[in-house]
Amino acid sequence: QKEVEQNSGPLSVPEGAIASLNCTYSDRGSQSFFWYRQYSGKSPELIMSIYSNGDKEDGRFTAQLNKASQYVSLLIRDSQPSDSATYLCAFTRNRDDKIIFGKGTRLHILP
Amino acid sequence: EPEVTQTPSHQVTQMGQEVILRCVPISNHLYFYWYRQILGQKVEFLVSFYNNEISEKSEIFDDQFSVERPDGSNFTLKIRSTKLEDSAMYFCASSPTANTEAFFGQGTRLTVV
Repeated sequence: QKEVEQNSGPLSVPEGAIASLNCTYSDRGSQSFFWYRQYSGKSPELIMSIYSNGDKEDGRFTAQLNKASQYVSLLIRDSQPSDSATYLCAFTRNRDDKIIFGKGTRLHILP
Repeated sequence: EPEVTQTPSHQVTQMGQEVILRCVPISNHLYFYWYRQILGQKVEFLVSFYNNEISEKSEIFDDQFSVERPDGSNFTLKIRSTKLEDSAMYFCASSPTANTEAFFGQGTRLTVV
């Protein structure tokens, strides 16, 4: 079983709509969860971090964590063409300090 | 806003040559990392560094790789004898504490010919 799974996409969403990105992870010892955005040829940029169950909102972004279901998601409201990028789900585990990345979901916002 | 800086942005080297990739982490951060991303693939962990020593390394980080913090600001990755398959983007990152978000530099694109 893979440590973290994301749908590779592309996920196409009309401009102004809500984009929903999902991620599942296998290790119940996972502790901290992150969403990074990566434009082509650029480095990962932190969008959201979430450490406890529930929702966390920051502007147009909402992260949702459900540790019982081993599931984390990212909602992007009022999607803009500039949101078109690859979104990387990432997490850390209790037993080490590295961040483990998923392969990412390519998001395409349709103007 | 503090940021991680990496130099050079692009390096071309001949197979078998040594390269040193340089990074200046965010000044009050304690954990430093190197990651690699081969074109079209996922971001892969190479090594983490804390308290002036390697805290963890992946199976990719074999004897040809080494890291060093030569002074209070720089953090370097050395590849002793580059191979074609070392061609990738190399990202440096830093975190203030363990198990928190990491902030990435802009990356060094290494091309081995």
